[in-house]
Amino acid sequence: SQQGEEDPQALSIQEGENATMNCSYKTSINNLQWYRQNSGRGLVHLILIRSNEREKHSGRLRVTLDTSKKSSSLLITASRAADTASYFCATDAGEYGNKLVFGAGTILRVKS
Amino acid sequence: DAGVIQSPRHEVTEMGQEVTLRCKPISGHDYLFWYRQTMMRGLELLIYFNNNVPIDDSGMPEDRFSAKMPNASFSTLKIQPSEPRDSAVYFCASSPGHINIQYFGAGTRLSVL
Repeated sequence: SQQGEEDPQALSIQEGENATMNCSYKTSINNLQWYRQNSGRGLVHLILIRSNEREKHSGRLRVTLDTSKKSSSLLITASRAADTASYFCATDAGEYGNKLVFGAGTILRVKS
Repeated sequence: DAGVIQSPRHEVTEMGQEVTLRCKPISGHDYLFWYRQTMMRGLELLIYFNNNVPIDDSGMPEDRFSAKMPNASFSTLKIQPSEPRDSAVYFCASSPGHINIQYFGAGTRLSVL
């Protein structure tokens, strides 16, 4: 079963605009991660935010986490055509081991 | 490190044939995961190993699927007999023991005709 649910399912923006994707989850977590998948490739880890953190930045990426609402958002600023990809949130749900549960993903298209 | 290596990249086979997918995790990683990705079902965890021992195989769809990890540097996912509904992209990922970030291979695209 999916722990994370991304919103929107698909997003189309112009180069230079900001893109915001949201993720909701159901159970308590230790951390939440975001991954990117380019067409025909494997997933690539972007950023991890721990349950005691509220915001984290990495380059043009900004992630927020609201544990009271069980939600997270990923903001990509000044988007580029190369940001075109699918973006997935993943949660560990505090389970044994390094198992993650991935959401269905948001397809982002950045038009140049 | 070369990252997680999967082979083959593409596999086309006929229904009823045996299919073996291979994975070499990143050296030193304690965890290995097998996923299946389809448009309909998204990314599904099939099975994962910790120090070569299967921990959770609840995602393996049927007895036709089996996975092994004979040593820390190699794992296989076998489908026997294969069916058209097994067509999907299969990913292997590995993770170090101290943090649950996963590193994915490029995947094997399986087509069962």
